[in-house]
Amino acid sequence: QSVLTQPPSVSGAPGQRVTISCTGSSSNIGAGYDVHWYQQLPGTAPKLLIYGNSNRPSGVPDRFSGSKSGTSASLAITGLQAEDEADYYCQSYDSSLSGPWVFGGGTKLTVL
Amino acid sequence: EVQLVESGGGLVQPGGSLRLSCAASGFTFSSYWMHWVRQAPGKGLVWVSRINSDGSSTSYADSVKGRFTISRDNAKNTLYLQMNSLRAEDTAVYYCATRIAARLYWGQGTLVTVSS
Repeated sequence: QSVLTQPPSVSGAPGQRVTISCTGSSSNIGAGYDVHWYQQLPGTAPKLLIYGNSNRPSGVPDRFSGSKSGTSASLAITGLQAEDEADYYCQSYDSSLSGPWVFGGGTKLTVL
Repeated sequence: EVQLVESGGGLVQPGGSLRLSCAASGFTFSSYWMHWVRQAPGKGLVWVSRINSDGSSTSYADSVKGRFTISRDNAKNTLYLQMNSLRAEDTAVYYCATRIAARLYWGQGTLVTVSS
């Protein structure tokens, strides 16, 4: 059971827009801690997509964007492409006994 | 360029021990807290342990407390994870990671397989 809650799967057709939610609580996202997003392709390490809620590392297309409000955060992907099919994870920090770094359970994005 | 390179993974029998290393470069290693995160096959990411910049403070996930020890050698720019009394459920890819100026950096991971 992950501390942050993500939908197990989302899907969309090429060119469409999809969003992935990440819901936390008052001890993590709601406490004002940053949210980060990762993309993971099979057999590879997680790749940082968004850091500090809405910042993209250099090299990440602007099709990817992040936002945060209250105890939740969202990752939006526009202009969906076949290569976006991957697992996506959110991460934040927690002031409770869960551990300093907490993660969502991951969301499998399928491009139809 | 920040680089984190893990090593030391492999196949070990239940009850055995293994020490993972994470070689850091491209940043002032001694100034930053370091973490270990693991991912079991087909599962999500789970935080394992963290150590502060000078090594004086550590914390662990309940699942590894008393069995794993995190440490660092700032002179060698290297992070360690000593894993004892390994169990089948410790089988995972282990990543070292750090946060620098709000951004997260991860290594490529090293696979630990606990099996007889």
